[in-house]
Amino acid sequence: QKEVEQNSGPLSVPEGAIASLNCTYSDRVSQSFFWYRQYSGKSPELIMSIYSNGDKEDGRFTAQLNKASQYVSLLIRDSQPSDSATYLCAAFPNILTGGGNKLTFGTGTQLKVEL
Amino acid sequence: EPEVTQTPSHQVTQMGQEVILRCVPISNHLYFYWYRQILGQKVEFLVSFYNNEISEKSEIFDDQFSVERPDGSNFTLKIRSTKLEDSAMYFCASSEKGLTAYEQYFGPGTRLTVT
Repeated sequence: QKEVEQNSGPLSVPEGAIASLNCTYSDRVSQSFFWYRQYSGKSPELIMSIYSNGDKEDGRFTAQLNKASQYVSLLIRDSQPSDSATYLCAAFPNILTGGGNKLTFGTGTQLKVEL
Repeated sequence: EPEVTQTPSHQVTQMGQEVILRCVPISNHLYFYWYRQILGQKVEFLVSFYNNEISEKSEIFDDQFSVERPDGSNFTLKIRSTKLEDSAMYFCASSEKGLTAYEQYFGPGTRLTVT
């Protein structure tokens, strides 16, 4: 069974610090990974995608992927109170090998950025 | 910026009634999805739709559920006879392509309450 695991938190960081969010997955079929931000009562908002091993940076966000270790992370630099939300990790399979085309989500990590 | 829209934002219905949830995907997107999120739980895949047919569905998507693209813009989810356990947020998503890991963008959701 394909699983995406995240620590539910809450993860508390002071304003201006680096927040580090982690995600592991159990299925080697998973090919690509996405980080979504979800504010309470709102829908998931895509913030980062990563398809290959290594780092990908976009503004204050850096996604890291290590397929050998089946590990994905998201770093948020200069954390702001507005970053306080639940961060969802999602895996997408390689459908060319019969993996389907759905996103499998983790339970999310709640991030709190404190003043 | 193009976005996925959903109506209604909140639907209250009695057990056993039929409901139709509506979505307008992003106009140049080809793949459409429905997900749901029960309060406090993870986002779960229901169904994906491409080229006017279901491409994949989950175990949740039983005979009570159906999807349709009645015209060139709308994408609907019908629940024929609602149960209490169908109470959840229902999210529509769309992606430009599904054969590779293109990003899925979510609508604001419909909160379904079954009494």
